[in-house]
Amino acid sequence: GENVEQHPSTLSVQEGDSAVIKCTYSDSASNYFPWYKQELGKRPQLIIDIRSNVGEKKDQRIAVTLNKTAKHFSLHITETQPEDSAVYFCAASDSGGYQKVTFGTGTKLQVIP
Amino acid sequence: KAGVTQTPRYLIKTRGQQVTLSCSPISGHRSVSWYQQTPGQGLQFLFEYFSETQRNKGNFPGRFSGRQFSNSRSEMNVSTLELGDSALYLCASSRIQGTEQFFGPGTRLTVL
Repeated sequence: GENVEQHPSTLSVQEGDSAVIKCTYSDSASNYFPWYKQELGKRPQLIIDIRSNVGEKKDQRIAVTLNKTAKHFSLHITETQPEDSAVYFCAASDSGGYQKVTFGTGTKLQVIP
Repeated sequence: KAGVTQTPRYLIKTRGQQVTLSCSPISGHRSVSWYQQTPGQGLQFLFEYFSETQRNKGNFPGRFSGRQFSNSRSEMNVSTLELGDSALYLCASSRIQGTEQFFGPGTRLTVL
């Protein structure tokens, strides 16, 4: 089955700096890669996603890159703000078949004002 | 549109008991997935239902089961509860497979 590894498990950055979270996956059939943000005590919410036919996607301060050959994808947050502090989860799934989403173990991001 | 709802929000049970959790997806969403979230293990996939059929199952013992009704509402059942079953149980719905999932607020289960 699919295995998703996520690094780092914790990340502290100064406000205004960039943050990068990296994930690798094992199943070459995976073709949908969402990123979720979970604030303390709240439900995970999708912040950005990318499909395997695209190498990069950007939404304001957030971008995701995908390298299918190396089977890794990364989340980039620029100009971090205190409200970016949360746990971020990457995930991988095969949208062509049955929906089984495999999540990474999460990265706790702390943005220091 | 109303979001994904889960009931109950909190539950306290003792070892050996069984529990049923409920999830109502967003209107029009046919896929419902269940996850177990614990501090050490992150989000672990339990199973996914689509049009009343279980399409995929994670690596959990047979004590964990579920079902989906014709209106896409889903229930999850855990029998013979163990202390290690204490967790936040999240359900998520999506319009079809392989698209954005919307999570419910979760049910916090505590097993004493």
